[in-house]
Amino acid sequence: DAKTTQPNSMESNEEEPVHLPCNHSTISGTDYIHWYRQLPSQGPEYVIHGLTSNVNNRMASLAIAEDRKSSTLILHRATLRDAAVYYCILKGGANNLFFGTGTRLTVIP
Amino acid sequence: EAQVTQNPRYLITVTGKKLTVTCSQNMNHEYMSWYRQDPGLGLRQIYYSMNVEVTDKGDVPEGYKVSRKEKRNFPLILESPSPNQTSLYFCASRRQVYTGELFFGEGSRLTVL
Repeated sequence: DAKTTQPNSMESNEEEPVHLPCNHSTISGTDYIHWYRQLPSQGPEYVIHGLTSNVNNRMASLAIAEDRKSSTLILHRATLRDAAVYYCILKGGANNLFFGTGTRLTVIP
Repeated sequence: EAQVTQNPRYLITVTGKKLTVTCSQNMNHEYMSWYRQDPGLGLRQIYYSMNVEVTDKGDVPEGYKVSRKEKRNFPLILESPSPNQTSLYFCASRRQVYTGELFFGEGSRLTVL
């Protein structure tokens, strides 16, 4: 499975945008980029996914580099509820999602 | 409400005493999976199932068994638990086998003494 690299932790002020980076230099042409997050004491929850084009949904935006070797999850306005561990995952044909250790986001009031 | 339900949520047991962690989903999902989460290691897949009576090993299957006799249920069985199976366990399901978002349960924290 292709792997991803994320910073261990990031901080953001409340109500400011947050850009969470992810490097995936070994991504293959058929790998989708998925983002999940895990709030304290909960199971992971789906955030967004994309293949080549930038994607938007009600939770976040996903910006994918033109060479697809990196991507950025954008939270447009961080709230305290967004404090979580964010996982960037590559999903190809295999059944598994390799979660890694993710980025722990701290939101400062 | 669409959900994945795991039981028990918390369990302390002793080495060698067989236990089962149940998982049930009410969304008619084809795919189900078990993960364990350990500090510094992230989530690792134990077993998965693509349909009734179809199961396969994930990355860390040793010491675990699963069954999928009904579409909605996917129990995780520890025949002879050992302390290295102390972990936080998550069950997940997905509508389709290969695509779509995973829905996770709230987790089962297991301690083996």
